[in-house]
Amino acid sequence: QVQLVESGGGFVKPGGSLRLSCVASGFPFDEHHISWIRQAPGKGLEWLAYISSRGSAKTNVDSRKGRFTISRDNDKNSVYLQMDSLRVEDTAVYFCARGGPWSAAGGYFDYWGQGSAVIVSS
Amino acid sequence: DIVMTQSPDSLAVSLGERATINCESSQSVFSTSNNKNYLTWYQQKPGQPPKLLIYWASTRESGVPDRFSGSGSGTDFTLTISSLQAEDVAVYYCQQYYSVPWTFGQGTKVEIK
Repeated sequence: QVQLVESGGGFVKPGGSLRLSCVASGFPFDEHHISWIRQAPGKGLEWLAYISSRGSAKTNVDSRKGRFTISRDNDKNSVYLQMDSLRVEDTAVYFCARGGPWSAAGGYFDYWGQGSAVIVSS
Repeated sequence: DIVMTQSPDSLAVSLGERATINCESSQSVFSTSNNKNYLTWYQQKPGQPPKLLIYWASTRESGVPDRFSGSGSGTDFTLTISSLQAEDVAVYYCQQYYSVPWTFGQGTKVEIK
């Protein structure tokens, strides 16, 4: 069955960095776009970044360009989110999600991981 | 950016009754190139990731009970639960994928009355 498993979250001080990983299984990984989406405690969902199936196209939320970088390694069935210059307001659960197959850009999400918690605090 | 606004923020419905959630986008998410609305609905239960219910505004995802239905076009959309069950208690989100950044509504919490 389709599975997405995030890891790499944890506690970090403001200004620090973390690299989240998302390992996929149960489907042809190199045929699907992947996004990162986050959810702050008690809040709604916020899409952060997208990477195309072969990694040739990437899009970030403008306000986070330069701080968050998405990448993928299809040989490892993995997508990554490098997060730099972290702020207290980046505290959230970070989900990776598979782009739905019926949209060319994969802009809706048919499978989600369980999430990885990131806590930014001094 | 396209702003998605849901209403109400929360609602309480009796078991077996209808629940209706509205979603309005700040600009149309309808594409004339393929006659599709780039609008999706998710259900999120506490401690779980969101689950896809509806895409293209009205296409039910495989395995989703037929008591869930989506309707609307352009800027106004509705998610209807025709007969609320106890397991439907959750927060529901709409999301547009018409243009980047893809954006979500603020969520609607559905409870049992």
